[in-house]
Amino acid sequence: RKEVEQDPGPFNVPEGATVAFNCTYSNSASQSFFWYRQDCRKEPKLLMSVYSSGNEDGRFTAQLNRASQYISLLIRDSKLSDSATYLCVVNTNSGYALNFGKGTSLLVTP
Amino acid sequence: DTGVSQNPRHKITKRGQNVTFRCDPISEHNRLYWYRQTLGQGPEFLTYFQNEAQLEKSRLLSDRFSAERPKGSFSTLEIQRTEQGDSAMYLCASSLVSVVFMNTEAFFGQGTRLTVV
Repeated sequence: RKEVEQDPGPFNVPEGATVAFNCTYSNSASQSFFWYRQDCRKEPKLLMSVYSSGNEDGRFTAQLNRASQYISLLIRDSKLSDSATYLCVVNTNSGYALNFGKGTSLLVTP
Repeated sequence: DTGVSQNPRHKITKRGQNVTFRCDPISEHNRLYWYRQTLGQGPEFLTYFQNEAQLEKSRLLSDRFSAERPKGSFSTLEIQRTEQGDSAMYLCASSLVSVVFMNTEAFFGQGTRLTVV
């Protein structure tokens, strides 16, 4: 089982839609969680960290469920500019390596 | 530009040749990572340094790959006897960590795209 698994994409949604991405991780000792965004042929960039209590940044909401080893990202009121690949990232204390999921591709259409 | 810098941006090499890539992290960052990414996949962890110490290497990293960070600043990744399967984007990232903030945002460079022909 891969350390970080994400919903297979792609997600094609109309502008204004709400879309949710899910991610599961295998190591119960994981301590830090992030969502990164990667545009085509660009480097990954941090979208948001994920905190135990859940956190929100504008149209984006991240949730963490440690018991189920599950992370989610909710995007409300999708914009064309949200089209990208969203990468779930889990950092394990044992090695401090950042482990990336395969990514979920989002295409927001007019 | 004070971001993570990688050189070269593109490299085409013949199978069997050695290649070396360089990464200059953000100056105050003490942690440096190397990743490999192929089309349709997320970045795959290769190795990371805390200052000059190489603390972890992926099991996927063959003996043909070696990385250094001699003075705790820039890093090099060398691939010996390249194979076609080594063709990928090689990404470097850096972050600033401390005892209090052990896992913080990693900033990525634009990568070096390697093509082995």
